[in-house]
Amino acid sequence: AQSVTQLDSHVSVSEGTPVLLRCNYSSSYSPSLFWYVQHPNKGLQLLLKYTSAATLVKGINGFEAEFKKSETSFHLTKPSAHMSDAAEYFCVVTAGAGNNRKLIWGLGTSLAVNP
Amino acid sequence: DAGVIQSPRHEVTEMGQEVTLRCKPISGHDYLFWYRQTMMRGLELLIYFNNNVPIDDSGMPEDRFSAKMPNASFSTLKIQPSEPRDSAVYFCASSSGLAGYIDEQFFGPGTRLTVL
Repeated sequence: AQSVTQLDSHVSVSEGTPVLLRCNYSSSYSPSLFWYVQHPNKGLQLLLKYTSAATLVKGINGFEAEFKKSETSFHLTKPSAHMSDAAEYFCVVTAGAGNNRKLIWGLGTSLAVNP
Repeated sequence: DAGVIQSPRHEVTEMGQEVTLRCKPISGHDYLFWYRQTMMRGLELLIYFNNNVPIDDSGMPEDRFSAKMPNASFSTLKIQPSEPRDSAVYFCASSSGLAGYIDEQFFGPGTRLTVL
């Protein structure tokens, strides 16, 4: 069975400090993994994706994530938070094929950035 | 391309009425997704289609909800009869894919539904 766990529902950081949003997955198949961002009262936008190429993936706005198969993790990081990073972040896994193909969303992590 | 188009953007209706939400995906995309978002339940995947065929409808809450995709450029999500607890923002998204792989999803602006 496939599942996604975002380990923190809320994360608060100070502007200029590093960001770490944690995501663990479970999959019987080789997964594809995504991070999406949703700013307040806005739609969702892709931050980055892993699709079995390089394990360190760079996305937009300075975010990156590393796929660690041994740890079944795909944590999202950014070296220095900006006020505009305050948003909801979702980790997503797709896995399987044919009738077993599943798309699983995490419950989201709300990131607050303090001045 | 204009992106994913949803209509209406806002809908206010009374309990018991039928509601139809519409979505036009990005041309050439093979996948179409319907989501619901509320403060209480967060973002929920309701159903998704591949080449106009429903693949996973396990997220559809109950029989009052139905979704169709009669062709590659149009999909509807219908609620009949509507209830106040259906009030939410409903997002439609589309994606391309090869051999069953789902790529980046592009989201529409959403329809904010209020059921009084």
